[in-house]
Amino acid sequence: TQLLEQSPQFLSIQEGENLTVYCNSSSVFSSLQWYRQEPGEGPVLLVTVVTGGEVKKLKRLTFQFGDARKDSSLHITAAQPGDTGLYLCAGDGGGSNYKLTFGKGTLLTVNP
Amino acid sequence: GAGVSQTPSNKVTEKGKYVELRCDPISGHTALYWYRQSLGQGPEFLIYFQGTGAADDSGLPNDRFFAVRPEGSVSTLKIQRTERGDSAVYLCASSAGHSETQYFGPGTRLLVL
Repeated sequence: TQLLEQSPQFLSIQEGENLTVYCNSSSVFSSLQWYRQEPGEGPVLLVTVVTGGEVKKLKRLTFQFGDARKDSSLHITAAQPGDTGLYLCAGDGGGSNYKLTFGKGTLLTVNP
Repeated sequence: GAGVSQTPSNKVTEKGKYVELRCDPISGHTALYWYRQSLGQGPEFLIYFQGTGAADDSGLPNDRFFAVRPEGSVSTLKIQRTERGDSAVYLCASSAGHSETQYFGPGTRLLVL
């Protein structure tokens, strides 16, 4: 069974601060995705990383995939209240059905 | 265009009852997934459809759970003899193909009393 562990589980910061959340596994994934989920909504895809060592930027968000494709990080610069939400990482183990294995998520609160 | 829709948005039922949860995928998407998200957890895979057939139902917790997709579009997740432990958000996702981006619906919040 492939497991993804996210840390921290909860994070409360002030507007303007930087933060990093982590997603770790003992398993290798074909790709890893980051989602953001707001209350009452389904997860919304932010980025997919595929290549070991890959770095992708989405405005103030920077995503990195580990060289061994077992871990990933999400760094947010100058966080804003609109960044508040549950950040989920999900791995695709490959195979024929592309089912995703999700971590438990990091609940981020950015206070104004 | 319209995204994935799920009905009902909330469902309250009593232990032992039968419930049906519906998912309308994005038009033209051949792949459809059901996940379950318990409080404080990430979504957990239940079942995957490619077209009309269930290609992988390995995530269904037991035989009280069943899902269909008779015409390759709308899917219904059926839960018999509901238990309090079934309370969760049931999420549906669809994608254009099995390796394409999955788009999630808003979920159905099921509460079993």
